[in-house]
Amino acid sequence: ETVLTQSPGTLSLSPGERATLSCRASQSVSSSYLAWYQQKPGQAPRLLIYGASSRATGIPDRFSGSGSGTDFTLTISRLEPEDFAVYYCHQYGSSPRTFGPGTKVDIK
Amino acid sequence: EVQLVESGGGLVQPGGSLRISCVASGFTFSSSWLTWVRQAPGKGLEWVANIRQDGSEIYYVDSVKGRFAISRDNAKNSLYLQMNSLRVEDTAVYYCARSRGYYDFWGQGTLVTVSS
Repeated sequence: ETVLTQSPGTLSLSPGERATLSCRASQSVSSSYLAWYQQKPGQAPRLLIYGASSRATGIPDRFSGSGSGTDFTLTISRLEPEDFAVYYCHQYGSSPRTFGPGTKVDIK
Repeated sequence: EVQLVESGGGLVQPGGSLRISCVASGFTFSSSWLTWVRQAPGKGLEWVANIRQDGSEIYYVDSVKGRFAISRDNAKNSLYLQMNSLRVEDTAVYYCARSRGYYDFWGQGTLVTVSS
């Protein structure tokens, strides 16, 4: 099983600041089959990034993904008030599919 | 507009059974892999099961193998999860989602509570 570790656990930032979230896999994620989701309280997750760096439909370009192998990054270039949420990475290159434990981005 | 709507959640005793459903619209259901993902209260996301377009391939996370069964009815645009021998640790919100490997559309979830 591919274990995903996300850091930091919580990121406290102000609107307008840059957020950098890390996702590290216990083994190489094949073909960069790595996705990122955003989840707000009481809501379902929303797909942001797939294939490590491709933005999903309707996702603003302040969200970007990068990385390969075992190290991946989600960057939010300038935080908007609606971006404060929990972010999960997800690998779908091997079975079982696994998620990271999440990074909470909250308002400083 | 793509919509996935889950139903059937509720309170069940340990050892009991429950079937939850998901009705989809706005995309070609019969051409899509589908998945169930769950989230225990205050916890992260856990993939539960996947089913191929025609039901010919099915996969489960180890913790539910032999207890849960995923199925679909393409004529009704519906996905199901039959849950037997439920345990307290199965308590979670269960989401259905369309799968392209990644999960691009999600339902709002249905809460399953296993408690005596």
